[in-house]
Amino acid sequence: GAVVSQHPSRVICKSGTSVKIECRSLDFQATTMFWYRQFPKQSLMLMATSNEGSKATYEQGVEKDKFLINHASLTLSTLTVTSAHPEDSSFYICSAESGAKVEQFFGPGTRLTVL
Amino acid sequence: SQQGEEDPQALSIQEGENATMNCSYKTSINNLQWYRQNSGRGLVHLILIRSNEREKHSGRLRVTLDTSKKSSSLLITASRAADTASYFCATVLGSSNTGKLIFGQGTTLQVKP
Repeated sequence: GAVVSQHPSRVICKSGTSVKIECRSLDFQATTMFWYRQFPKQSLMLMATSNEGSKATYEQGVEKDKFLINHASLTLSTLTVTSAHPEDSSFYICSAESGAKVEQFFGPGTRLTVL
Repeated sequence: SQQGEEDPQALSIQEGENATMNCSYKTSINNLQWYRQNSGRGLVHLILIRSNEREKHSGRLRVTLDTSKKSSSLLITASRAADTASYFCATVLGSSNTGKLIFGQGTTLQVKP
């Protein structure tokens, strides 16, 4: 099956710093990638939809200047949490889909802890 | 906003028993999918059922969809300790052309050996 990787798997940073999370589709070209956030014991909340070569579409309530998304190629999307604060601590998960499939393939997630 | 409501929120059963989880949604859908998540991990796609389908099987999994009631159920038969995980339903809205998933709140399943 299709594989999506995320890097890093875990990151701890100080308040005020920026953190970049990478999402890669390893064996297929992802026309669309999605970024989700998941707080402990809660469900996944879609943050934004990322299409290669165009600006991301953000969900209501998600600050686009806070969460910068770049989908520079068909296999890579990055999420940068700018000026991170403790309330940004969460589990961030990406998913990718190719144009041919309905199914989304999820990355293993990135645990962000902001001190 | 979350479209799906799942029940129960938590389910604890003995190995070998069946587990049933339910999901309800509010608006018309294109398809409904079930995912599994082990603690602290990413999601694994289990099964997809389209809006014009009523039942689907995959191994020990059986999914039903009732569009008139806007509900779906996931049945895991002959459960195993390894089935312990959180299970989420997710819908693709009927009006969506992006495949954007809206997740339910999830059911945490514990299967005791």
